[in-house]
Amino acid sequence: GAGVSQSPSNKVTEKGKDVELRCDPISGHTALYWYRQSLGQGLEFLIYFQGNSAPDKSGLPSDRFSAERTGGSVSTLTIQRTQQEDSAVYLCASSLGQYGTQYFGPGTRLTVL
Amino acid sequence: GQQVMQIPQYQHVQEGEDFTTYCNSSTTLSNIQWYKQRPGGHPVFLIQLVKSGEVKKQKRLTFQFGEAKKNSSLHITATQTTDVGTYFCGSGNTGKLIFGQGTTLQVKP
Repeated sequence: GAGVSQSPSNKVTEKGKDVELRCDPISGHTALYWYRQSLGQGLEFLIYFQGNSAPDKSGLPSDRFSAERTGGSVSTLTIQRTQQEDSAVYLCASSLGQYGTQYFGPGTRLTVL
Repeated sequence: GQQVMQIPQYQHVQEGEDFTTYCNSSTTLSNIQWYKQRPGGHPVFLIQLVKSGEVKKQKRLTFQFGEAKKNSSLHITATQTTDVGTYFCGSGNTGKLIFGQGTTLQVKP
């Protein structure tokens, strides 16, 4: 079946604008994760959704970042008033259960000018 | 919070040489997962270790979980150019993974 998909693949925006990044997880996967990877850096955890439980937002770097998951499937990560330091690749992953293998999407490369 | 330290950050080897990356934590880990990210690609799951002292092999790759469950290693025997990439370890008690900084492997043919 299809893997995790993300859109757009690339996004260039101006400082101060809002952006929305979309993630379509693998069908049937109850857990969904967002990570951020700056150039040449590791994977920084942002937020985690598991079923109908309240999301774990402990990794969000500021209140400009938010995410929602509608109907237990598609997720949207929103960054308000983007800053240049927000430039990074935003990766989404999903897993079958809480401790399952995480399958990553191809990422969205965000560039804030 | 939980932190996972990974060393070395970079490793350059000649094709055919062995390679090892280490993952260390000051706290006991419930599990450890290893991922590989090729240049320009996204992380791909390699393996999960759960038991103390566990050793698993995948062809030329050997994964170990320490007896105290505070460290793990990935060893590649006789590296090939196809092994290039960044190797990440990650661990988590609540579903989310905290990743190490990764070890980037370069293999000279």
